[in-house]
Amino acid sequence: AIRMTQSPSSFSASTGDRVTITCRASQGLSSYLAWYQQKPGKAPKLLIYAASTLQSGVPSRFSGSGSGTDFTLTISCLQSEDFATYYCQQYYTYPRTFGQGTKVEIK
Amino acid sequence: QVQLVESGGGVVQPGRSLRLSCAASGFTFSSYGMHWVRQAPGKGLEWVAVIWYDGTNKYYADSVKGRFTISRDNSKNTLYLQMNSLRVEDTAVYYCAKDTAATAFDYWGQGTLVTVSS
Repeated sequence: AIRMTQSPSSFSASTGDRVTITCRASQGLSSYLAWYQQKPGKAPKLLIYAASTLQSGVPSRFSGSGSGTDFTLTISCLQSEDFATYYCQQYYTYPRTFGQGTKVEIK
Repeated sequence: QVQLVESGGGVVQPGRSLRLSCAASGFTFSSYGMHWVRQAPGKGLEWVAVIWYDGTNKYYADSVKGRFTISRDNSKNTLYLQMNSLRVEDTAVYYCAKDTAATAFDYWGQGTLVTVSS
């Protein structure tokens, strides 16, 4: 199975900050990489697919980049509603695998 | 609008069985693969199983292979997960999710909690 490793596992940030989360795959995925946001008690929400394509309705402050094994999720100007846990996921092959999650907390 | 509504969760003893359902609406259910994903309390997301749009192919996580069976009834727009020989470590919120080959899991249900405890 492809292992997905996110970093950092958690961090604190302030509203207005630019934040970046990285995701590394144990083998190449081409661009079959998605990012999800999850808030407590809620289902995950798709933010980005194909490594860099914004899902419909997702604010443009979210962006994704990368291909192969190294990917990033960037939030250009953190808003209060962005404090959540973020997961990367590969959909290149089965079993589908997720990163362990990155929790973004308020500083 | 797309809706996925899971049901069937509850408290069950180790070794017993449970069947989850996921009722789909707002899209052509028979045209899409469907997945189950679970999340143990306070933990991350774990993919469980997938079924092709027509039911011809199924894949499972190693952790549930041989114990869980995914199925669907396209006439009822419903996805199922039959869970046998349940273990304490199967305790989790179980989500169904709609698949597209291009966009991964674009819609998720609200989840149903399965607690395996004696």
